[in-house]
Amino acid sequence: AQKVTQAQTEISVVEKEDVTLDCVYETRDTTYYLFWYKQPPSGELVFLIRRNSFDEQNEISGRYSWNFQKSTSSFNFTITASQVVDSAVYFCALSSIPGSSGGYQKVTFGTGTKLQVIP
Amino acid sequence: GAVVSQHPSWVICKSGTSVKIECRSLDFQATTMFWYRQFPKQSLMLMATSNEGSKATYEQGVEKDKFLINHASLTLSTLTVTSAHPEDSSFYICSASGTSGLSSYEQYFGPGTRLTVT
Repeated sequence: AQKVTQAQTEISVVEKEDVTLDCVYETRDTTYYLFWYKQPPSGELVFLIRRNSFDEQNEISGRYSWNFQKSTSSFNFTITASQVVDSAVYFCALSSIPGSSGGYQKVTFGTGTKLQVIP
Repeated sequence: GAVVSQHPSWVICKSGTSVKIECRSLDFQATTMFWYRQFPKQSLMLMATSNEGSKATYEQGVEKDKFLINHASLTLSTLTVTSAHPEDSSFYICSASGTSGLSSYEQYFGPGTRLTVT
């Protein structure tokens, strides 16, 4: 069974501070995908990143960066110089990779971390 | 590309009535669609998975007779909540996986439908 743990339920930071959202996962699959989604108050999920388990390179996109550590089964997300618009619930998710015969991914979501950025 | 829409975006219905939620892939063909439910301040929980032209596969604990899913075409799936009760009030989100031109590993999420049963 797959499991995603986001131990931080809520985080508050002051604008311009850096903040790291933690994500720890469990899976028996040797290959899998990891995701981060942002859910603002409107409710719509916003895709942020997908990482293949083969690729342990860290990624940076603007103020966002992700640290994938396969050895510790973690996929942490850092926002640098946070802004009020970053306030949202952030979900980490995990999916298996369908086999060569096809199929589809079943995504397991973490419980989410609510980030509040205070001006 | 890869846009998924849901209709309605919000709906209020009376207890005992049925309500239908539509999920459409606007610019791609979706062989598989997923329905999730999200209670306030909680995570997304997969309810069922549907493949076009076949019966949906429901997750454990989800009543298939209460939550009817129809995936009649490659661009449309519907979720009907039958005999709705206040405890069915939730945020329902669909997602779709594509075919040619898109990675079949990607799920594209709709904007969600907020259901309130009074």
